[in-house]
Order: sequence, then structure tokens, then C-alpha cells
Amino acid sequence: TQLLEQSPQFLSIQEGENLTVYCNSSSVFSSLQWYRQEPGEGPVLLVTVVTGGEVKKLKRLTFQFGDARKDSSLHITAAQPGDTGLYLCAGPNTGNQFYFGTGTSLTVIP
Amino acid sequence: NAGVTQTPKFRILKIGQSMTLQCTQDMNHNYMYWYRQDPGMGLKLIYYSVGAGITDKGEVPNGYNVSRSTTEDFPLRLELAAPSQTSVYFCASSYVSGTQYFGPGTRLTVL
Repeated sequence: TQLLEQSPQFLSIQEGENLTVYCNSSSVFSSLQWYRQEPGEGPVLLVTVVTGGEVKKLKRLTFQFGDARKDSSLHITAAQPGDTGLYLCAGPNTGNQFYFGTGTSLTVIP
Repeated sequence: NAGVTQTPKFRILKIGQSMTLQCTQDMNHNYMYWYRQDPGMGLKLIYYSVGAGITDKGEVPNGYNVSRSTTEDFPLRLELAAPSQTSVYFCASSYVSGTQYFGPGTRLTVL
């Protein structure tokens, strides 16, 4: 059973296009994190959202936490080749564990 | 600050062999984690530790063992390697349950 489902699984777009990646769950999370992972490296944290309905912006990236704290989205405006990578959402359970989503592999073509 | 370091970077094992994946962090984090990542997939938690001398199972612990004798080190032991353990292994550390800092990974192939 996958606690966090991400969609789409793969995305290939042209430079300059916009895109949205989704992270959905049937469970409520106290917070959700988004990571980006480049080939051959470990994931790096982009943002943590903690309040239902929260919107955070990181340059061209906009993160939203759903009102019910069961889902989150990542929107990228005017994608660049440097945005290429695997995007992962992650959320803590009631203990000290984190569940990671299935991941979205993004390729931005110059 | 080196952050989280992992050794080796690559390893090929034969079925039934044993090995230890090393993980060291120099950030004085009390929480440490071991994940495995299969091709095109997210990460699955194998074991974690909330401090020296304390370890607990994650989502996929079978076939693995860990120890945490110091704050800095969190080695992962594979006793009888199986092809199903072919994966990329990531170690991470954090303060409490905050931002996780990941190592560069160990790519393991079991033939």
C-alpha cells in the first residue's frame, strides 16, 4: 500500500512551459515535504508545508498544501532544463518515520 | 562540514554474501535513517534511529540489521544478500523529525 501517490509518474516538457505535479493521500499529514533528486545524488529538500491551505513560493516553484492536509501540489512556471530531476513528496507518520511518494520524473527539453 | 557520507559508492555481491554499508554524519543530528530506492521509485524506509543505542524498524526491514553505537555512525548490515536487495541505498540524518539531509547513496547489485 502506497501512502502517498504522485502524478504524473513521468513528465517531459519543453523549456518555458508550465507544469503541475500532484501528491495525494487518503491519510491526513501534519506536514508535507517536497524534495528534488538529481541523477546519482540523494534527495534535497525544497520546502515543507505545515498548514492546511498554505501556499509557499520558491522563485518559479509554487507549493500548495490542501485544506484537508491530505494532498499537495507543486507548480513550476516557465520550466528550465535545470529543473530536470525526480520530485518526491514526503510526510511523517505519527511516529518518527517518513513516507515518500512514488515520485515524478521531470525532463525539461531545451 | 562533510554532511552525510556513505561508503562504498558501488558494490557487487554474490548471492549469500554479507556486507556492511557505512554511514557517517558530522552535523550532530540525533535522527538517522536508511532508505532503499528501486529504479523509478520513491524511497522506502528500512530502519531508523532516534539516538545512540536506539533503533527501530521501518517499512521494509527484512534482510537487514542496523546498530547505532555513536551519534555519528549508523551502519546497515546485509547478512545473506539476495537479488531482491539490488537497489540504491540512501542514508539520511535530521534534527528530530525535520529536514532530512541525504548522503550520495550506495549502488548495490546482487548477482
